[in-house]
Amino acid sequence: DVKVTQSSRYLVKRTGEKVFLECVQDMDHENMFWYRQDPGLGLRLIYFSYDVKMKEKGDIPEGYSVSREKKERFSLILESASTNQTSMYLCASSPHVGLARNNEQFFGPGTRLTVL
Amino acid sequence: AQSVTQPDIHITVSEGASLELRCNYSYGATPYLFWYVQSPGQGLQLLLKYFSGDTLVQGIKGFEAEFKRSQSSFNLRKPSVHWSDAAEYFCAVVPSGGSYIPTFGRGTSLIVHP
Repeated sequence: DVKVTQSSRYLVKRTGEKVFLECVQDMDHENMFWYRQDPGLGLRLIYFSYDVKMKEKGDIPEGYSVSREKKERFSLILESASTNQTSMYLCASSPHVGLARNNEQFFGPGTRLTVL
Repeated sequence: AQSVTQPDIHITVSEGASLELRCNYSYGATPYLFWYVQSPGQGLQLLLKYFSGDTLVQGIKGFEAEFKRSQSSFNLRKPSVHWSDAAEYFCAVVPSGGSYIPTFGRGTSLIVHP
């Protein structure tokens, strides 16, 4: 059974803290993604990576950075958490073989982050 | 850039009734089209996808979707809804050229009454 796991389901942090959200996939996928999900706004792409040590900005990268040192792991970093980063964070992965555009994404269960 | 519109934020149906969730996209050519479902507290799971061939696509859990090029639509349907279908549904589009990154609609929340 394919799996994308996220390190925490719920996280509470204080303003100004450095926050790490970890995502691991066991499917040997090349592509990994970080989204945030807010009511009424759907999924918005923060960053994605198509290979180890490669990263690309998505639609809302401000205030975030990422790290991909190993193929199976993609970390999202909030350098200095702020209250407007309170949200649900979803990690996803997909293969990048052949006709990549029809490949589905596999999602983790999400991390609900609250910044106080 | 492509865009995806799900016009209904919430849909309420009675258990056993039929369901249609709307999705319209804006893109110059035929894109790749997906429907995902998100149950409460879970990540997204693929229901079905379309990229060529028969315009009526069958998916998991008894769902189907029909691609209509003339209307730029990819509506999701189910003939008889079960209480366990209560969830958030997302339509997604991947362009057939250029970036392979999907664009998601804002989602439709399905409420099922007993």
